Amino acid sequence: GENVEQHPSTLSVQEGDSAVIKCTYSDSASNYFPWYKQELGKRPQLIIDIRSNVGEKKDQRIAVTLNKTAKHFSLHITETQPEDSAVYFCAASRNTGFQKLVFGTGTRLLVSP
Amino acid sequence: DVKVTQSSRYLVKRTGEKVFLECVQDMDHENMFWYRQDPGLGLRLIYFSYDVKMKEKGDIPEGYSVSREKKERFSLILESASTNQTSMYLCASRESAGTDTQYFGPGTRLTVL
Repeated sequence: GENVEQHPSTLSVQEGDSAVIKCTYSDSASNYFPWYKQELGKRPQLIIDIRSNVGEKKDQRIAVTLNKTAKHFSLHITETQPEDSAVYFCAASRNTGFQKLVFGTGTRLLVSP
Repeated sequence: DVKVTQSSRYLVKRTGEKVFLECVQDMDHENMFWYRQDPGLGLRLIYFSYDVKMKEKGDIPEGYSVSREKKERFSLILESASTNQTSMYLCASRESAGTDTQYFGPGTRLTVL
């Protein structure tokens, strides 16, 4: 089955810096890659996603890139702000069958003012 | 706006007790999921349901069962709670297998003494 590895487990940056979180997946049939953000004490929420027919997707200060050949994808946050502090989870799923998501282990991002 | 609710935010039970965790969604979603969240392990899928009265095992079903008698409600059952089931339990729903976004509930932090 699918296995998703996520690095780093913790990331500390200064406000205004960029942050990058990386994930690798094992199943070459996976073609959907979402990112969820979980603020302290709150529920995970989808912030951005990408499908395998696209190499990059942007939404304001966040972007996701996908390298199908290497089977890895990354979340990029520019001009970080304290409210970006949260745990971020990557995930992967196939586009066949029930399309279960397999999540990475999470990255705790701390943005210091 | 999708709303996923869980019956309790915090629950304390004793070893051997039968425990019911309830999840309700109000958007007529077909698919529902139960995850457990543990530090360093991310979100792991326990069980999922693609429609009423349908259920499938996820990646870590041992020690758990589920029930989905009505479309809006998905229950997770711990037949005989054990200390290693102390965790945060998150419910999620999704419109159908052809859609992407999973909407999470607020979570139930279960402690088994």
